Amino acid sequence: DIQMTQSPSSVSASVGDRLTITCRASQDVGNSLAWFQQKPGKAPKSLIYGASRLQSGVPSRFSASGSGTDFTLTISSLQPEDFATYYCQHHKSYPLTFGGGTKVEIK
Amino acid sequence: EVQLEESGGGLVQPGGSLRLSCAASEFILSDHYMDWVRQAPGKGLEWVGRTRNKANSYTTEYAADVKGRFTISRDDSNNSLHLQMNSLNIDDTAVYYCVRNAKGDYYFDLWGQGTLVTVSS
Repeated sequence: DIQMTQSPSSVSASVGDRLTITCRASQDVGNSLAWFQQKPGKAPKSLIYGASRLQSGVPSRFSASGSGTDFTLTISSLQPEDFATYYCQHHKSYPLTFGGGTKVEIK
Repeated sequence: EVQLEESGGGLVQPGGSLRLSCAASEFILSDHYMDWVRQAPGKGLEWVGRTRNKANSYTTEYAADVKGRFTISRDDSNNSLHLQMNSLNIDDTAVYYCVRNAKGDYYFDLWGQGTLVTVSS
């Protein structure tokens, strides 16, 4: 199975900060990488697919990059509604696996 | 509104069975690959299984932990998806989400709101 490792597992940041989350795959997943946002008590929301493509309706302050084994999700200027947990996931092969999550908290 | 709505969760004893349903609105479910993903209380996301679209004969894939116990099926007449869960154990306690893949592709684009399954004596 492909293991997905996210870092950091949690981070405190302020509104307006630039934030980068990393995700590393244990094997090459090409660009078969997605990012999700989940707020407490809510279902996840799809943010990014194909490693760098924004889902429809996702604000442009979100961006992502990477291929192969190393990926990043960046929020250029944190907004109050961005405080949430973020997960990466590969869909290169079965089983699909998720990273452990990065919780973004307000400083 | 395009959406997915799960139902069927509840309390079940260890060793019991439960059937979850996922109703699709405003799109044709058979055109899409569909997945089930679960989340144990306070934990991260875990993939459960997938059914391919009608063009790919609705074939299925499962996570090792549920293979042989869980079965994904569809009901085209009701535009719905099902997850039959047998031989449930405490570790299956989770919120279960049905998730749509983008049409013609293999990435998640739409999540249901989830349904809670609690396995306890």
